[in-house]
Amino acid sequence: QKEVEQNSGPLSVPEGAIASLNCTYSDRVSQSFFWYRQYSGKSPELIMSIYSNGDKEDGRFTAQLNKASQYVSLLIRDSQPSDSATYLCAVVPSGGYQKVTFGTGTKLQVIP
Amino acid sequence: NAGVTQTPKFQVLKTGQSMTLQCAQDMNHNSMYWYRQDPGMGLRLIYYSASEGTTDKGEVPNGYNVSRLNKREFSLRLESAAPSQTSVYFCASSETSNYGYTFGSGTRLTVV
Repeated sequence: QKEVEQNSGPLSVPEGAIASLNCTYSDRVSQSFFWYRQYSGKSPELIMSIYSNGDKEDGRFTAQLNKASQYVSLLIRDSQPSDSATYLCAVVPSGGYQKVTFGTGTKLQVIP
Repeated sequence: NAGVTQTPKFQVLKTGQSMTLQCAQDMNHNSMYWYRQDPGMGLRLIYYSASEGTTDKGEVPNGYNVSRLNKREFSLRLESAAPSQTSVYFCASSETSNYGYTFGSGTRLTVV
């Protein structure tokens, strides 16, 4: 089982819709969770971090964490074509903060 | 602009050649990292440096060496390049991983 799993997509949503991106992880005691956005040919960019169960909102982005079910999700409201990118989930496991594990990413396509 | 600077951006090597990838950050971060990104494999940690003067192996260290020259600079060396090292290499830094990473723009390396 992969430590961090994401559906590779592509996930296609129409402009203005809500995009829902999901990530599951295997290390039950993981404490810190991140979402990165990576445009094609570019480097990953941190967009959200979440540490506690529940929701965290930042503009059009909402991160959701459920430690009991070992999943973290990212909602993008009012999706725009500029949101088209690959979204990487990253998890800090119990092994230490230097051993952040990344998922392989979900490609999001927002259709105008 | 503040951030992580990587050089070079592109490089083509012949099998057996050596090279050093340079990375410098101006955010006064303690920790620095080298990742490689391959299609379908996601980001994989090669080496990291938790603080100046320390380095440790990550998930895929074979064929690489690193040097933490000072707090700002962390270099990655390929002593004898192999085609399997064809990849995109990213340097990243963080205060601690609980605050997420800032990535450099990447180096696209092709070994022929």
